[in-house]
Amino acid sequence: NAGVTQTPKFRILKIGQSMTLQCAQDMNHNYMYWYRQDPGMGLKLIYYSVGAGITDKGEVPNGYNVSRSTTEDFPLRLELAAPSQTSVYFCASSPHWTAMNTEAFFGQGTRLTVV
Amino acid sequence: DAKTTQPTSMDCAEGRAANLPCNHSTISGNEYVYWYRQIHSQGPQYIIHGLKNNETNEMASLIITEDRKSSTLILPHATLRDTAVYYCIVRVNFGNEKLTFGTGTRLTIIP
Repeated sequence: NAGVTQTPKFRILKIGQSMTLQCAQDMNHNYMYWYRQDPGMGLKLIYYSVGAGITDKGEVPNGYNVSRSTTEDFPLRLELAAPSQTSVYFCASSPHWTAMNTEAFFGQGTRLTVV
Repeated sequence: DAKTTQPTSMDCAEGRAANLPCNHSTISGNEYVYWYRQIHSQGPQYIIHGLKNNETNEMASLIITEDRKSSTLILPHATLRDTAVYYCIVRVNFGNEKLTFGTGTRLTIIP
């Protein structure tokens, strides 16, 4: 079982460039999440999704966009990269709240540097 | 979701029990207490969760006070691999999809 897979693992972007961070899960989880983690800080929720076609803003959504066309995939889009978006990005998924076990599973992260 | 308060950092000797406290004085009756940890720069890992009864699994024990205003995560025999940041999260399960993290406790296991 692959769990939550994020690609790429590392990326350097120039200011103003755009990119998509990919996230895929193979556990048929309803909920998916994107977080960013700045050095020495906790995780901040960017966007989340409760199912295909449904997304909602988290704590720090500005500068990002998401889509959820399938249950498995939840890409995060940066349109105009800025140095303030230099961070480690984590994707996570969890089952519906009615599931027996509601733990969240996390990917290994994407380390993004904007220069 | 209720706010949680955790110490910024703690040390524990290898082989001893590590007891990590969490205050959640505004917790409501239907909110669960979850614990996750993050080792170095990996993605966080689920440890345990509970509502009001004490819980134990292969990783840890969770002790929740009778008034539910605080809890303690216990790692019974800490090893160097338990060095991590530990996050205490209070969360309603019913119809709640959000999962937000605080700043956590940085636990260092001393050889």
